[in-house]
Amino acid sequence: SAVISQKPSRDICQRGTSLTIQCQVDSQVTMMFWYRQQPGQSLTLIATANQGSEATYESGFVIDKFPISRPNLTFSTLTVSNMSPEDSSIYLCSVDTSANTEAFFGQGTRLTVV
Amino acid sequence: AQKITQTQPGMFVQEKEAVTLDCTYDTSDPSYGLFWYKQPSSGEMIFLIYQGSYDQQNATEGRYSLNFQKARKSANLVISASQLGDSAMYFCAMTLGSNYQLIWGAGTKLIIKP
Repeated sequence: SAVISQKPSRDICQRGTSLTIQCQVDSQVTMMFWYRQQPGQSLTLIATANQGSEATYESGFVIDKFPISRPNLTFSTLTVSNMSPEDSSIYLCSVDTSANTEAFFGQGTRLTVV
Repeated sequence: AQKITQTQPGMFVQEKEAVTLDCTYDTSDPSYGLFWYKQPSSGEMIFLIYQGSYDQQNATEGRYSLNFQKARKSANLVISASQLGDSAMYFCAMTLGSNYQLIWGAGTKLIIKP
């Protein structure tokens, strides 16, 4: 299993500013995933982050808006840039298991943009 | 197209009763994994149970069991002896082959009544 520490757990931010969310894993993992969950919705994958390479973004998400860092096998950050109220969501990081039988999640970051 | 369908937007269940949350999936890939997650109001995503497409037995984890009917492409979650703490959103999700990306259903909001 993997334990993921995600922070901050929540934040209220002014529009036009940026917020960086951190995820720390207690073991080395190949892939980390960043999701957005808009109010009342299911999860939408933003990007997949592999160590040592550029993140792979899903359709509708761009690096300029959601830059991701993956400096090592236990850590990743997601930045939400130039925020607007539409960015108000829960952001979650996730890692897979080598057996692909479970995806572990961080505690989530509840972001409100005012 | 690969898809997860959860047809119950919300459910009310009396405490101590069993509850079944519906999930159907659509894929032509013979190798897939099915997951159930619980999301309380705090926002964290809690893994409940996993079923592999080649598993012969239905998965069970404590009070959770997965009613896997392969021919019908359904993977319903059964919670026995429901508790007030079971009130949450429940998501069904799927992975395909060796792809770690989760495909998510829309979720079911479960409310347990005392």
